[in-house]
Amino acid sequence: DIVMTQTPLSSPVTLGQPASISCRSSQTLVYNDGNTYLSWLHQRPGQPPRLLIYKISNRFSGVPDRFSGSGAGTDFTLKISRVEAEDVGVYYCMQTKQFPYTFGQGTKLEIK
Amino acid sequence: QLQLQESGPGLVKPSETLSLICTVSGGPISSSNWWSWVRQPPGKGLEWIGETYHSGDTNYNPSLKSRVTISVDKSNNQFSLKLNSVTAADTAFYYCVRDAFDGSGSLGFDSWGLGILVTVSS
Repeated sequence: DIVMTQTPLSSPVTLGQPASISCRSSQTLVYNDGNTYLSWLHQRPGQPPRLLIYKISNRFSGVPDRFSGSGAGTDFTLKISRVEAEDVGVYYCMQTKQFPYTFGQGTKLEIK
Repeated sequence: QLQLQESGPGLVKPSETLSLICTVSGGPISSSNWWSWVRQPPGKGLEWIGETYHSGDTNYNPSLKSRVTISVDKSNNQFSLKLNSVTAADTAFYYCVRDAFDGSGSLGFDSWGLGILVTVSS
């Protein structure tokens, strides 16, 4: 299985300040079609996860542009340019390059 | 807008079979997408269980493969999950999810049901 490792596991941030979450995979996530199947999800308390970013850096429909994804191969980053109150919750990276699909442990974003 | 809704018993006895149905509305299940089940023990992380295509093709997580069956019912626009021989470790929120595809490959798990908590207890 591909192991997804996120850092940090907890991130207290000040409203209006940037935040960054890293995700490292145990194998390359580049598929033989040339795409890299790394996604980011956000889960607010009591809600299902929702898709933020797919294929490293593509924002899903309706996702604010303060969210951005970057990286390549095995190292990836999610950045929030200016954290807002609604951004609290847990962020997960996920790979869909090979079975079984796997998730990072989650990073809890909270407001200082 | 696509909606997914899980249904089924919220309590299952140990050693019995967990059975859930996901009803898809707002779009056909017979589209170029895969349909997955994901679970999350309360307060813990996410685990992919498996997926199905409208053709009936399936892929499973090897950690659960011996106990899982995912199937599709095109006539009712539904897909289902069966997990047998359950134990307390199978207590979790169960989500049905669409893995959207287009000509360029997977676009990610873009639509999630609200989830259903299934507790395994006698």
